[in-house]
Amino acid sequence: DGGITQSPKYLFRKEGQNVTLSCEQNLNHDAMYWYRQDPGQGLRLIYYSQIVNDFQKGDIAEGYSVSREKKESFPLTVTSAQKNPTAFYLCASSIIAAISTDTQYFGPGTRLTVL
Amino acid sequence: AQKITQTQPGMFVQEKEAVTLDCTYDTSDQSYGLFWYKQPSSGEMIFLIYQGSYDEQNATEGRYSLNFQKARKSANLVISASQLGDSAMYFCAMREGTEKLVFGKGTKLTVNP
Repeated sequence: DGGITQSPKYLFRKEGQNVTLSCEQNLNHDAMYWYRQDPGQGLRLIYYSQIVNDFQKGDIAEGYSVSREKKESFPLTVTSAQKNPTAFYLCASSIIAAISTDTQYFGPGTRLTVL
Repeated sequence: AQKITQTQPGMFVQEKEAVTLDCTYDTSDQSYGLFWYKQPSSGEMIFLIYQGSYDEQNATEGRYSLNFQKARKSANLVISASQLGDSAMYFCAMREGTEKLVFGKGTKLTVNP
């Protein structure tokens, strides 16, 4: 089955630690995205990548880092510089990033809690 | 200014009835796309329906239809014959040209038996 997987589903982090959230897709999509969702809010874009070895900052990139070494994978690292990392993180992918008609498909999400 | 406005924080509907979820948008672009997503309590965002700014007909996908009124800048989602499984958060989103997808704050729909 084609789709997007995220792991882990739940993640607990101590203050001062870096943690990495996994996102893998087998849809052969070129573009991948990371979003953050806070309670009662819509999604905000953290980073996106249109092609391997290239990525761009979204609206709230501070305290986060990404890599795109393979087309299928787009891991997100939440660093200790992120002041308030407790949130729900969603990964998405689309065929192409730069077309208004292009639909983004989402993974099941990772819920990160800072202890 | 808000690009996407969803004015209904919560909506209630009886099973088997139709419901309309409101969405207004703000753009000066001629080319844009409008999307609706469903987010059940499990958290995954499920794509429901898409409407392009140049599409002359309203989009439909099964029980979902999009009431697109370009002059009013509204893109309301209509769910016909509501089912208990339709209870979820619903998000309207817009992409202007090649820009990023922007989401509204969502509407929580509760379907009552």
